Amino acid sequence: GQQVMQIPQYQHVQEGEDFTTYCNSSTTLSNIQWYKQRPGGHPVFLIQLVKSGEVKKQKRLTFQFGEAKKNSSLHITATQTTDVGTYFCAGGGNQFYFGTGTSLTVIP
Amino acid sequence: GAGVSQSPRYKVAKRGQDVALRCDPISGHVSLFWYQQALGQGPEFLTYFQNEAQLDKSGLPSDRFFAERPEGSVSTLKIQRTQQEDSAVYLCASSLAPGGYEQYFGPGTRLTVT
Repeated sequence: GQQVMQIPQYQHVQEGEDFTTYCNSSTTLSNIQWYKQRPGGHPVFLIQLVKSGEVKKQKRLTFQFGEAKKNSSLHITATQTTDVGTYFCAGGGNQFYFGTGTSLTVIP
Repeated sequence: GAGVSQSPRYKVAKRGQDVALRCDPISGHVSLFWYQQALGQGPEFLTYFQNEAQLDKSGLPSDRFFAERPEGSVSTLKIQRTQQEDSAVYLCASSLAPGGYEQYFGPGTRLTVT
């Protein structure tokens, strides 16, 4: 079946450092979405990418969809303590596969 | 504004009991998903509804799990004869369009089977 893997599984950064998480699918995705889940909370939608090679930015966050539509990345510039949480990529249509997640800890 | 709500928020069941988990999606949202999330893991797809039609239930782990959305709004996930391995957070999400686009999640129901 379809698998969506993310690396790294955990990342600790000093506040102000950059952070990147990578998402890789075993099959081509029609779209990719990114969600953030704070500890004890539920996933919150961040963004959706649909086109091959698409790049979108939200303030300090940059999202990229690979040319083959099988991988994606999320880059955060100058992390802040408010960025703490687990970041999930997800893709699919009627079925929806979440990645394994990257847990980000920001050290003040 | 009304988001996705789920009830109960917490449920403790003795092994062998039946449970029913409710999801109230955002009004007008066509798509509704159920997920199971174990501690430290990502949400695992269980089933998908487009309006009242259950288009995919391939993620339901056994025939003890049953979901319905009879009028295309509120959905119920029922688990019969609960087992300890059913302990998890059950998340419901809805989206405006058909398919899994921009999903809005509820707070989840934490099920503990003792």
